[in-house]
Amino acid sequence: TQLLEQSPQFLSIQEGENLTVYCNSSSVFSSLQWYRQEPGEGPVLLVTVVTGGEVKKLKRLTFQFGDARKDSSLHITAAQPGDTGLYLCAGTYNFNKFYFGSGTKLNVKP
Amino acid sequence: SAVISQKPSRDICQRGTSLTIQCQVDSQVTMMFWYRQQPGQSLTLIATANQGSEATYESGFVIDKFPISRPNLTFSTLTVSNMSPEDSSIYLCSVSTETQYFGPGTRLLVL
Repeated sequence: TQLLEQSPQFLSIQEGENLTVYCNSSSVFSSLQWYRQEPGEGPVLLVTVVTGGEVKKLKRLTFQFGDARKDSSLHITAAQPGDTGLYLCAGTYNFNKFYFGSGTKLNVKP
Repeated sequence: SAVISQKPSRDICQRGTSLTIQCQVDSQVTMMFWYRQQPGQSLTLIATANQGSEATYESGFVIDKFPISRPNLTFSTLTVSNMSPEDSSIYLCSVSTETQYFGPGTRLLVL
C-alpha cells in the first residue's frame, strides 16, 4: 500500500481547461514536494511546501499544503500541452527519506 | 542544485546475467538513493547508499540481488544480479540536500 495516494490516477483534458490533482495521506509530514516527470527523464522538482496551510504559486500552478500537513493539492490553470507528464508528490519526515505518491498521469490535448 | 549522470542510459540483457549501473554527481552529497520505476508509475525506493558503510535496503530488496557500492561522496553503483524479466524497469539514482535531484534513469529490459 502507498503511504501517499494521488487522485486522479489519469487525467486527459483539452488545452485551456483547469485541473486539480490531490495527494492524501494519514501521516503528518515535515514537508511535501511535487515533481513532474517527462518520458525518458527523471522527476524534476516543482515545489516544496513546509508550513501547514501554505500556498505557493508557480506561474499557472498553485500548490497547497493541508493545515494538518497530511495532504496537498496541485491546481493548474489553463493547462497547456507542455504540462503533459507524470506528476508525483513526495513526503518526508526528516529529508533522509522520501515517500512517493502513486502518481497522476496528465495528458493535455491541443 | 546537483547534476546527476547515469550510465548506461539503457540496456537489453539476457536472463541470468548481471548489470552494473553507475551514478555520478557533480558535487559531494551525503544522501544518495536508488529507486525503481515502472514506466508511467510511481517510484519505489530500493536502498540508501551510504558512504563508507553498507547500504540500507528497503523491505523487499536484498543485498545479494542489488549490491550497492558508494566509494566516495560523488559516486555510486547499483548492480542488478541474476536478472529475470521481472527486473525490467527504470532504475533511478537520486541525491538529497533537502531537495531531491534525480538522474535521467537507466532503462533495463531483461529478455
